Amino acid sequence: ILNVEQSPQSLHVQEGDSTNFTCSFPSSNFYALHWYRWETAKSPEALFVMTLNGDEKKKGRISATLNTKEGYSYLYIKGSQPEDSATYLCAFKGKGSQGNLIFGKGTKLSVKP
Amino acid sequence: NAGVTQTPKFRVLKTGQSMTLLCAQDMNHEYMYWYRQDPGMGLRLIHYSVGEGTTAKGEVPDGYNVSRLKKQNFLLGLESAAPSQTSVYFCASSLLDAGGTEAFFGQGTRLTVV
Repeated sequence: ILNVEQSPQSLHVQEGDSTNFTCSFPSSNFYALHWYRWETAKSPEALFVMTLNGDEKKKGRISATLNTKEGYSYLYIKGSQPEDSATYLCAFKGKGSQGNLIFGKGTKLSVKP
Repeated sequence: NAGVTQTPKFRVLKTGQSMTLLCAQDMNHEYMYWYRQDPGMGLRLIHYSVGEGTTAKGEVPDGYNVSRLKKQNFLLGLESAAPSQTSVYFCASSLLDAGGTEAFFGQGTRLTVV
């Protein structure tokens, strides 16, 4: 059974703080790593899809890095805002595992004004 | 643009009853998926489809059936609901295999089986 681990489980920060979370995944047979943002009462929305070792992606104040050889990805949020409060999910896809994205349990971020 | 739409949004079933959850997407995506979300667990894949007329089992398929008669629709059926199927169900779709392309999610169906 493939495991995708996210840490921390939850995080409380003040507005303006920068923060980061980790996603760990199997380093063998890597195909892609996804990050999703999931606000309460809404559906998950894709932030990044990363496929290459060393990939760095950025969207506004949010960025992500990928290390496929050691099996981890970091998500960074610079200058957190209350609207960044959400659960951040990562999902791993291995080669040959058609259709199956394996999700972590998520990191729940709360940003206090 | 509607994206991925799930119906119903909420449902309460008695043990042994049957029901069908409907997922519709208007993005002409080939791949569609059904996930369940339970407290303390990540999204788990129930069944998926790689195109019209095809279905395949995911990680937790037992107790569920699916059909994809039309490209835009993916139905999830519970033939005889059990309390263990109380969960939030999410449908998703992707243009291609959910590896290199992002998945788009519906807003979820909260199902309670009593």
